[in-house]
Amino acid sequence: AAGVIQSPRHLIKEKRETATLKCYPIPRHDTVYWYQQGPGQDPQFLISFYEKMQSDKGSIPDRFSAQQFSDYHSELNMSSLELGDSALYFCASSSWGRSSGQASDTQYFGPGTRLTVL
Amino acid sequence: AQTVTQSQPEMSVQEAETVTLSCTYDTSENNYYLFWYKQPPSRQMILVIRQEAYKQQNATENRFSVNFQKAAKSFSLKISDSQLGDTAMYFCAFIPVGGSQGNLIFGKGTKLSVKP
Repeated sequence: AAGVIQSPRHLIKEKRETATLKCYPIPRHDTVYWYQQGPGQDPQFLISFYEKMQSDKGSIPDRFSAQQFSDYHSELNMSSLELGDSALYFCASSSWGRSSGQASDTQYFGPGTRLTVL
Repeated sequence: AQTVTQSQPEMSVQEAETVTLSCTYDTSENNYYLFWYKQPPSRQMILVIRQEAYKQQNATENRFSVNFQKAAKSFSLKISDSQLGDTAMYFCAFIPVGGSQGNLIFGKGTKLSVKP
């Protein structure tokens, strides 16, 4: 079965540079979530999108922005990178409960993008 | 605030034996989902098992089963016949049902080592 695709898998940037992470959800999934996992930490929610609209926002820095496109893929844009942004960035996807009108229950994660800021 | 607590930072088990990982959570919601995710050294997040709060029957997936105690807000994971490939970090996670909030709330994780 098709899974969530993330690119690139690894990214090395210098301080103050910008980075763009891409996420392609499972086919027919309309909701995308971004999480950040620092070394030895649990994943922290950043932001989510449903049908190309932001649906929820977590601890995302103002230097970061994201969007979901018409084909449901999503991009996380990170500017003015700091050393503390070095982390594993996960994208997860799910399908919104169309009959219940509620957020679906199960999120499937991509392999992650490992960002290193030097 | 909704929180998930995993009180065992590390555990170890001998191959072929059984181990139980603990998880408690705090919420005022009545309807929600609970999950266990596995993160092996590759750091991929892999869904292990899911439990719906309105279901009294405990979920089971092959060697993995849960003990869901809603009144106690407890959700433990039992791994039977442990295998070397079960070595991983295990995260307990919670998500309320309803509204627009759909982000998972994770515990801090339990690092499980399966020894030959």
